[in-house]
Amino acid sequence: GESVGLHLPTLSVQEGDNSIINCAYSNSASDYFIWYKQESGKGPQFIIDIRSNMDKRQGQRVTVLLNKTVKHLSLQIAATQPGDSAVYFCAESSTGNQFYFGTGTSLTVIP
Amino acid sequence: DSGVTQTPKHLITATGQRVTLRCSPRSGDLSVYWYQQSLDQGLQFLIQYYNGEERAKGNILERFSAQQFPDLHSELNLSSLELGDSALYFCASSSPWGSTDTQYFGPGTRLTVL
Repeated sequence: GESVGLHLPTLSVQEGDNSIINCAYSNSASDYFIWYKQESGKGPQFIIDIRSNMDKRQGQRVTVLLNKTVKHLSLQIAATQPGDSAVYFCAESSTGNQFYFGTGTSLTVIP
Repeated sequence: DSGVTQTPKHLITATGQRVTLRCSPRSGDLSVYWYQQSLDQGLQFLIQYYNGEERAKGNILERFSAQQFPDLHSELNLSSLELGDSALYFCASSSPWGSTDTQYFGPGTRLTVL
């Protein structure tokens, strides 16, 4: 099957610092990637997506970077806030096929 | 609020029993996906329906089945339940319009098998 992995299972950052969450994927045919945030007791929430024809995409306080050469995806959160504490999943798919999710990185923001 | 609803929120049952989980997609979404999330695993894709037809199958056990009805709501049926079936079950929906297949998740059903 597909392999979507996260480099770090947990990450702790100080409030106000920037956070970087990394993700590796194995399918070079994957062309669509999504980052989800999952708070305790809730379903995953869409944060930002990127297609393989892009290297970078920015949202509100979040930036996703895609390096197709090394099959690596990262999520950058600027000025991390306590409300950003959650588990973050990356997901990848190739057009028309199912999504594969990583196991998640737990982000803890220290006030 | 994603617009996807799931019922019940919690379900406690015994081994060997059968349960049905229900999902209503966002208004206008034709695709429904079911996922299982265990404590030690990420989201495992089970099955996808599109406008009433099965479109993709993932790691779904033979004891599990699903369907999507004409009003587009979906049900996931879990039978002969085992302790290992205890997990969070998420439903997601996506729109056939637009340039992405972004999935929007419901709040999940927490199933506990005793």
